[in-house]
Amino acid sequence: AQSVAQPEDQVNVAEGNPLTVKCTYSVSGNPYLFWYVQYPNRGLQFLLKYITGDNLVKGSYGFEAEFNKSQTSFHLKKPSALVSDSALYFCAAVKAAGNKLTFGGGTRVLVKP
Amino acid sequence: GAVVSQHPSWVICKSGTSVKIECRSLDFQATTMFWYRQFPKQSLMLMATSNEGSKATYEQGVEKDKFLINHASLTLSTLTVTSAHPEDSSFYICSARDGVAGYTDTQYFGPGTRLTVL
Repeated sequence: AQSVAQPEDQVNVAEGNPLTVKCTYSVSGNPYLFWYVQYPNRGLQFLLKYITGDNLVKGSYGFEAEFNKSQTSFHLKKPSALVSDSALYFCAAVKAAGNKLTFGGGTRVLVKP
Repeated sequence: GAVVSQHPSWVICKSGTSVKIECRSLDFQATTMFWYRQFPKQSLMLMATSNEGSKATYEQGVEKDKFLINHASLTLSTLTVTSAHPEDSSFYICSARDGVAGYTDTQYFGPGTRLTVL
């Protein structure tokens, strides 16, 4: 069975500081990993995905994520956080040969001015 | 990126009535759409996978007779909550997959529909 864990319920960071949102996964076979962001009362917006290739994936709004196979992690990063980055972030994995996304529990990011 | 819309964005209904939620892929064709349910401050729970022209595949514990899913075209899937009760109140989100490669394709999500059953 596959699972995705986001160990932090909330991350607080000052505007302008680096932002990291952690994600670890447990997937049999090759992992296909995604990050989404959700603003209040809205659906999820796609940020980036890792399928294969370069371990550093660049996505929307200045976000990037680093795939680390040995640590089974896919942490989301942004060099300089903005107040508008405050939202709920979800890491997700899809099972190879399957259709379904498995989501982590979500991490709420609060960027303070 | 690909855009997915949902209608209505919110709905309030009386207990015992049925509610239909539409999910449309606006600028791409989606052979597969997904329906999720999200409780406050919780992650998304997959309810069912909807394939165009065939019956939906429901997750374990989801009542197929209560949550009717129809995927009649490549751009439209509908979720009907039949005989709704207060415990069905939730935020329902659909997603559509943008390609034919399968599990590596990106799912794009609609804005969600908040259902309140009185």
